Amino acid sequence: EVQLVDSGGGSVQPGGSLRLSCAASGFTFSSYWMHWVRQIPGKGLVWVSRIKGDGNTTTYADSVKGRFTIHRDNAKNTLYLQMNSLGADDTAVYYCVRDGRGDSVFDLWGRGTLVTVSS
Amino acid sequence: DIVMTQSPLSLPVTPGEPASISCRSSQSLLHSNGYNYLHWYLHKPGQSPQVLIYSGSYRASGVPDRFSGSGSGTDFTLKISRVEAEDVGVYYCMQALHIPLTFGGGTKVEIK
Repeated sequence: EVQLVDSGGGSVQPGGSLRLSCAASGFTFSSYWMHWVRQIPGKGLVWVSRIKGDGNTTTYADSVKGRFTIHRDNAKNTLYLQMNSLGADDTAVYYCVRDGRGDSVFDLWGRGTLVTVSS
Repeated sequence: DIVMTQSPLSLPVTPGEPASISCRSSQSLLHSNGYNYLHWYLHKPGQSPQVLIYSGSYRASGVPDRFSGSGSGTDFTLKISRVEAEDVGVYYCMQALHIPLTFGGGTKVEIK
């Protein structure tokens, strides 16, 4: 089955760190750009970061640049988001997303994992 | 950053009736290759978002033909020819021409 299973969310104190994972299956993972998109509860969708299939190109939203790192292990078919220096405004559901066509058409989404930053 | 503006914010609809959502971008989304880098997504309650329309007017695989997209440059429209109960949720447009990728604020479609 073609799917993305994201995990790793949880509660963390301000200034803390968390690593999200996204396990891909059913398709050739290394052939696709992958993204993280987040949704603050009750708010809209916000793009966070992307990584090319070979892992050599990454891009970030300004709000997370320098704090978050996206990377992938194509041997394990897994995407990661390392999140450091977390603040309250990072509280959101994080979705792992596949770019199906190379032009940021998000054709496959994980179910999302909730990150809560609170003291 | 490119700002995406959707209207209306909320759209009560009657099953069987048409519905229309507008999306405007602060910059043209028409690429030199002739394609508009504007995609539409639907976020149903309790589910993950799903793509409906890509490149302004192309229906994604499996999307019913009652959904259609139109527009070019800075003005785009998503239309539902006859709304069904399963179409409720929040609709988002997203521009994919420039980084950062940006979404509209969303249009909540609900049944009257």
